[in-house]
Amino acid sequence: SQTIHQWPATLVQPVGSPLSLECTVEGTSNPNLYWYRQAAGRGLQLLFYSIGIDQISSEVPQNLSASRPQDRQFILSSKKLLLSDSGFYLCAWSGGGMNTGELFFGEGSRLTVL
Amino acid sequence: QKEVEQNSGPLSVPEGAIASLNCTYSDRGSQSFFWYRQYSGKSPELIMSIYSNGDKEDGRFTAQLNKASQYVSLLIRDSQPSDSATYLCAAEGGGYNKLIFGAGTRLAVHP
Repeated sequence: SQTIHQWPATLVQPVGSPLSLECTVEGTSNPNLYWYRQAAGRGLQLLFYSIGIDQISSEVPQNLSASRPQDRQFILSSKKLLLSDSGFYLCAWSGGGMNTGELFFGEGSRLTVL
Repeated sequence: QKEVEQNSGPLSVPEGAIASLNCTYSDRGSQSFFWYRQYSGKSPELIMSIYSNGDKEDGRFTAQLNKASQYVSLLIRDSQPSDSATYLCAAEGGGYNKLIFGAGTRLAVHP
């Protein structure tokens, strides 16, 4: 069966520091991968999605970037964090291609920027 | 801009009652719809998907879709305190399984 893991689960970072969140999927190949952010009391906002290695699309302009160095690895990064980057970051996967299948989330990474 | 709208709640129902959760979506091109349950501090968990007009039942859950009205609902029968959570409605938006989420409805089931 497929599993998805994210780390770290929680982190507190000062403004201006770098960020790296990592996500790995097991038990499937060629998945579509996604990064969502959930601000406190709000819905999920799609940040990036990827349909293959080094194929990344950004949904909103922001202070963050994403990379997919391997088929089942997705990384979210920032060179300098802003206070507004605080939130609950969720990695998700779905079957590859254009199919309108289901999305499955990892455990999430809670980021607090001080 | 594509949007999914939900009442934020809280929706409070007694144990054993039917909870009815609703959402509307703006993109007439959306073909797939999903309900996720999110416990406080946890990640969303998929509970139902629906692709065709009408009802889809899975255990105590029934999803309903009306594409003409751009309306999706979730019924939870025999509600239990363990059903207390935030329920997120999502619509497919633009291919590649990109989902647009509503802000969620908080459900509280009291004994």
